[in-house]
Amino acid sequence: DTGVSQDPRHKITKRGQNVTFRCDPISEHNRLYWYRQTLGQGPEFLTYFQNEAQLEKSRLLSDRFSAERPKGSFSTLEIQRTEQGDSAMYLCASSLSQRFTYEQYFGPGTRLTVT
Amino acid sequence: AQKVTQAQTEISVVEKEDVTLDCVYETRDTTYYLFWYKQPPSGELVFLIRRNSFDEQNEISGRYSWNFQKSTSSFNFTITASQVVDSAVYFCALSEALEYGNKLVFGAGTILRVKS
Repeated sequence: DTGVSQDPRHKITKRGQNVTFRCDPISEHNRLYWYRQTLGQGPEFLTYFQNEAQLEKSRLLSDRFSAERPKGSFSTLEIQRTEQGDSAMYLCASSLSQRFTYEQYFGPGTRLTVT
Repeated sequence: AQKVTQAQTEISVVEKEDVTLDCVYETRDTTYYLFWYKQPPSGELVFLIRRNSFDEQNEISGRYSWNFQKSTSSFNFTITASQVVDSAVYFCALSEALEYGNKLVFGAGTILRVKS
C-alpha cells in the first residue's frame, strides 16, 4: 500500500515569492486534509476536501493561500506573496470517510523556509 | 470549541521504565473521536490509535496501552518497558463526528526522551 506522498520535501524561498506544494493521498481515500505545524506545536487544520469539493477552510487560511483538488485525487496548496510567518511544516493527510474508519494518514510534510 | 491539553511538555526516562503521557480534552459534542499520533525525528506523523466516544474500553497493543475516561475527559497513553526507539513527540488529537468534517484538533505534544 502506497502511503501519502508530498512534494517537495523542503522548499526555501524568498519573501514575496509564490510557492506550490503537492500532495498525493492514499489512492482509495476520498478525504484530503492540509495542516500546518510550527516548531514546538501540534499541527493546525487549514482545509479539507471530500473528493474534489473543498468543504471547509480555517481562518488560518488567509487570502494568500489557495488549495485545489481538481480531479479528486492529488491536491495542491499554493501560497502567494510568501511572508516569513509562513515558514512551517505543511502536512497533508488523507482518510476514507466510511463509518468506523476515521483515521487520517499523514505524509512526510513539506518544510517551507521563507527568507 | 474543541481543545486538547497535553500538560507534559517533555518527559525523560531510562530504558525499561514505564511512562504515561497525559491528555485532557474539551468538547461539547456527544460523538467525538480521540487519537494518538507519534512523530519521530524523521517528522512523519504515525497513527497509533483511535477511540470513539461511545467506547470506553481500554486497549492494549503490545507495550502500548490507552486509558479512556469520559468522566475526567482524559485519554492517557502508557508505554511499558520503554525503549530508545520510543523517543519521539507524541500528540493527542480530537475530532468531531464524521459528517462535520472530522478535522483533527491536536494538543501541543509531549516530547519523550528514552535514554539507554
